[in-house]
Amino acid sequence: AQSVTQLDSHVSVSEGTPVLLRCNYSSSYSPSLFWYVQHPNKGLQLLLKYTSAATLVKGINGFEAEFKKSETSFHLTKPSAHMSDAAEYFCVVRSGTDKLIFGTGTRLQVFP
Amino acid sequence: DAGVTQSPTHLIKTRGQQVTLRCSPKSGHDTVSWYQQALGQGPQFIFQYYEEEERQRGNFPDRFSGHQFPNYSSELNVNALLLGDSALYLCASSWGGTNEKLFFGSGTQLSVL
Repeated sequence: AQSVTQLDSHVSVSEGTPVLLRCNYSSSYSPSLFWYVQHPNKGLQLLLKYTSAATLVKGINGFEAEFKKSETSFHLTKPSAHMSDAAEYFCVVRSGTDKLIFGTGTRLQVFP
Repeated sequence: DAGVTQSPTHLIKTRGQQVTLRCSPKSGHDTVSWYQQALGQGPQFIFQYYEEEERQRGNFPDRFSGHQFPNYSSELNVNALLLGDSALYLCASSWGGTNEKLFFGSGTQLSVL
């Protein structure tokens, strides 16, 4: 069965410093992986997705993620955090029956 | 271009009651999925409607049911409410019965007292 584990429930960074949100996945085959962001009182928004075309995936708002099969990881990064990046981030894997399985989320705080 | 709209935004019910939540998909989308997001958790898939039929279902009891109308809008019904049903209910729309790119609404916050 497919699953994702988000390794940090909370991450705090200063504005202008790099962001790293960690996600490990479990899948019996080459997975489809996503990162979604949830701002307060707003719907979830797709940041980026991996579907085996390229291991480094670029998303919106300067975020990117690298698929590492040897480490079963799909960590989300951004070179320089902005105050507007403060939100909840979800790592997601698509199951073999096309269901989306969400991780428990990582809350990103950005301090000025 | 309107995105996914959900109503109501907040709802308070008591145990044993029934509730209906509504969702209008993004323009051009024909598929609606429902998710339950408990406090501090990630969203959990309830079911998906495509071509007015329940296409897939997650691990939720039969108290959770739904419907899709010819205009692609959808309802989520929950019967015999339990305290544990308190959560944010999210609707997501997509095209062609897939989960390739979901657009989410802001959700309905349901509180069961």
